[in-house]
Amino acid sequence: SQTIHQWPATLVQPVGSPLSLECTVEGTSNPNLYWYRQAAGRGLQLLFYSVGIGQISSEVPQNLSASRPQDRQFILSSKKLLLSDSGFYLCALPRGGKAFFGQGTRLTVV
Amino acid sequence: DQQVKQNSPSLSVQEGRISILNCDYTNSMFDYFLWYKKYPAEGPTFLISISSIKDKNEDGRFTVFLNKSAKHLSLHIVPSQPGDSAVYFCAAREGSGYSTLTFGKGTMLLVSP
Repeated sequence: SQTIHQWPATLVQPVGSPLSLECTVEGTSNPNLYWYRQAAGRGLQLLFYSVGIGQISSEVPQNLSASRPQDRQFILSSKKLLLSDSGFYLCALPRGGKAFFGQGTRLTVV
Repeated sequence: DQQVKQNSPSLSVQEGRISILNCDYTNSMFDYFLWYKKYPAEGPTFLISISSIKDKNEDGRFTVFLNKSAKHLSLHIVPSQPGDSAVYFCAAREGSGYSTLTFGKGTMLLVSP
């Protein structure tokens, strides 16, 4: 069965520091992958999606970037974090017309 | 521009009663709608869905109703249980199964014993 792994589960980072969040999937090959963010009062916002290695589409302009170095690896990064980057970051995998989510990473920028 | 709107940020219901969560959408191209449930510090989990060719879908205690003319859907939970307390997200999709989902802001449901 397909599984999604995200780490770390929680992260506290100072403003201006870099960020790297990793998502890996198992049990599937060449999946579409998504990064969502849940921020206070904003619901679930799609940040990036990737249809394959090296292919990234950005949904909203922001301080973040994404990379797909391997088929089953999707990375969310920032060179310098802002306070507004705080939120709950979720990696997702489409399956059967639905999205299945990882356990998420709670990022607090202080 | 919020294409999927959940206008109630929170809802409190007593155990055993019905919970009704509402969702409105503006994009007439949406043809598939989903509800997700999310506990704190966990990823959302899929709950129930409905295609635009239907007006009702039922799964145990959960029923989703779709009113296409009003661009409105609702999730009914009967009877409500304390374990149902969570944030519920409404989501919509247009086109193929690989298109992305658009989510609402969520409604926090609290079911008290």
